[in-house]
Amino acid sequence: GAGVSQSPSNKVTEKGKDVELRCDPISGHTALYWYRQSLGQGLEFLIYFQGNSAPDKSGLPSDRFSAERTGGSVSTLTIQRTQQEDSAVYLCASRTNRRTEQFFGPGTRLTVL
Amino acid sequence: RKEVEQDPGPFNVPEGATVAFNCTYSNSASQSFFWYRQDCRKEPKLLMSVYSSGNEDGRFTAQLNRASQYISLLIRDSKLSDSATYLCVVNTRDNFNKFYFGSGTKLNVKP
Repeated sequence: GAGVSQSPSNKVTEKGKDVELRCDPISGHTALYWYRQSLGQGLEFLIYFQGNSAPDKSGLPSDRFSAERTGGSVSTLTIQRTQQEDSAVYLCASRTNRRTEQFFGPGTRLTVL
Repeated sequence: RKEVEQDPGPFNVPEGATVAFNCTYSNSASQSFFWYRQDCRKEPKLLMSVYSSGNEDGRFTAQLNRASQYISLLIRDSKLSDSATYLCVVNTRDNFNKFYFGSGTKLNVKP
């Protein structure tokens, strides 16, 4: 079946612009995560959605970052007024409630010039 | 202090060698433990979960030491295709849905 998909695969933007990153989780997966991975670093948790519950936003680094998940499926991560330090790969993952295994999308490589 | 710490490596080993990585975690309430594999410029994929009694999957063996708060991954008879970065992942009893990733240990298997 289809895995997690993300778009765009690459995004180059200028400092100060807003960007939107999209994630389509595996159908039927109720949990959705966003992570950020900088070069040579581990995954940094950003935000977690579970069904209709309030999201866990504890990992968002600043109020320039926000995310929403519409209809319990597709999610969009928005970064406003991008800064050079926002450059990273943004990974989305989804999983079912019954298993702890997370399935990752291929990521969006964001470069802020 | 980071939740999960790993030796970044790289570990450079010849084909057929046995290699082991450790990962330490700081929260004694950590509950579930995993090893993920990440190939260069690819997304992470689950390699194996780590059970309290230790577990084996083919050439891969995972161990948990709760007293010393570390997990290990042993790879026997290394293959060229094992070259990747291995990420240690934990979650905790107080927030089962939040996962903490280590920065990974890089393995290079040479012919």
